Amino acid sequence: SYELTQPPSVSVSPGQTARITCSGDALPKQYAYWYQQKPGQAPVLVIYKDSERPSGIPERFSGSSSGTTVTLTISGVQAEDEADYYCQSADSSGTYEVFGGGTKLTVL
Amino acid sequence: QVQLVQSGAEVKKPGASVKVSCKASGYTFTSYGISWVRQAPGQGLEWMGWISAYNGNTNYAQKLQGRVTMTTDTSTSTAYMELRSLRSDDTAVYYCARRRGLDDPFDYWGQGTLVTVSS
Repeated sequence: SYELTQPPSVSVSPGQTARITCSGDALPKQYAYWYQQKPGQAPVLVIYKDSERPSGIPERFSGSSSGTTVTLTISGVQAEDEADYYCQSADSSGTYEVFGGGTKLTVL
Repeated sequence: QVQLVQSGAEVKKPGASVKVSCKASGYTFTSYGISWVRQAPGQGLEWMGWISAYNGNTNYAQKLQGRVTMTTDTSTSTAYMELRSLRSDDTAVYYCARRRGLDDPFDYWGQGTLVTVSS
């Protein structure tokens, strides 16, 4: 079955830039989406279609794509950004959706 | 405003079935689909499947096919997810999420429903 691979954890100091990667063979063909999840809460969409930002999401959140890897970048990280982040996409046929394993962002 | 309100927590015995509801408001229900996503305790997100509220077409995750059924009631703008033959590893928070189509995101989520499977 298709898989998306994320690093389990990323740590940055406040004000620095955090980069979270997501790798998958079908990513050149399928859009990627990113969700932020804080403890005890439902996920929140932060990036859609690789690099688009929903209204209400701060400009410090951005997304990019290169080959089989997509990247979520958080510039000028704030303490409130500490959360789990999940990428999501589809397999090459577009039939089945999959989430990455999640990355815990720690703000030191 | 768009809202998805899910039914309350459930405790079930192994082998039983559970049916979780997701009532939508604030948008035209039949213009979107509903996906279901679950999260086991301390684990990541797992996509379970999707149903079109427009025509009832469904698409289920391979590992759940045969055990899961997703339906909608357009008269009440409510989506349902039924999972049968429950096992302990089905213990999870179950979320519904709105999605227009395959190239669209899960843009609004329900609050989640905890389903506990225990003897």
